[in-house]
Amino acid sequence: EPEVTQTPSHQVTQMGQEVILRCVPISNHLYFYWYRQILGQKVEFLVSFYNNEISEKSEIFDDQFSVERPDGSNFTLKIRSTKLEDSAMYFCASSEPGGYNEQFFGPGTRLTVL
Amino acid sequence: DAKTTQPTSMDCAEGRAANLPCNHSTISGNEYVYWYRQIHSQGPQYIIHGLKNNETNEMASLIITEDRKSSTLILPHATLRDTAVYYCIVQSNQGGKLIFGQGTELSVKP
Repeated sequence: EPEVTQTPSHQVTQMGQEVILRCVPISNHLYFYWYRQILGQKVEFLVSFYNNEISEKSEIFDDQFSVERPDGSNFTLKIRSTKLEDSAMYFCASSEPGGYNEQFFGPGTRLTVL
Repeated sequence: DAKTTQPTSMDCAEGRAANLPCNHSTISGNEYVYWYRQIHSQGPQYIIHGLKNNETNEMASLIITEDRKSSTLILPHATLRDTAVYYCIVQSNQGGKLIFGQGTELSVKP
């Protein structure tokens, strides 16, 4: 069964450093998403991406964040100048074209900012 | 904010049916009801969705009231592996974001 994969599973970085979280969505999916979950809190939407551009973003997704689909298979989330409060699980998801399709989530990347 | 309300937690005996309620009284005509679950720190997992008719798949059944203001997710024979947080979400547009609430923490006990 096809699945969304994410690398790395755990990333530790120093405050102020840049990190890139990587995702490989399911191959025929055209909608891509990033969500995050701070420990003990609910899952929060960050950004959605379709047709090589951002279709929607939350207020969390400020200039510190960017997304890219560099090669037709990977979907990346870059966080510039990380802050302590960026520590969280980051989940990538993808969905098929067509209406009201379910989103398939990856296993997540645990980001720890020291 | 999430447009649904769910109980914070529920218990269920292993092998029994788990019935998880959700209120979505402000749902609009083009919004579907989706259910996802999250097993400890894993990525959320899609379970089922519906518009107005009851739905069943290999994982669960979804019962939506006639006025569409509430729904119930039914796990017919709960197992210990069904212990998770269950989220009821209403979503309208294609490719739209999911807005997660706090969900219902279901504990299946032996």
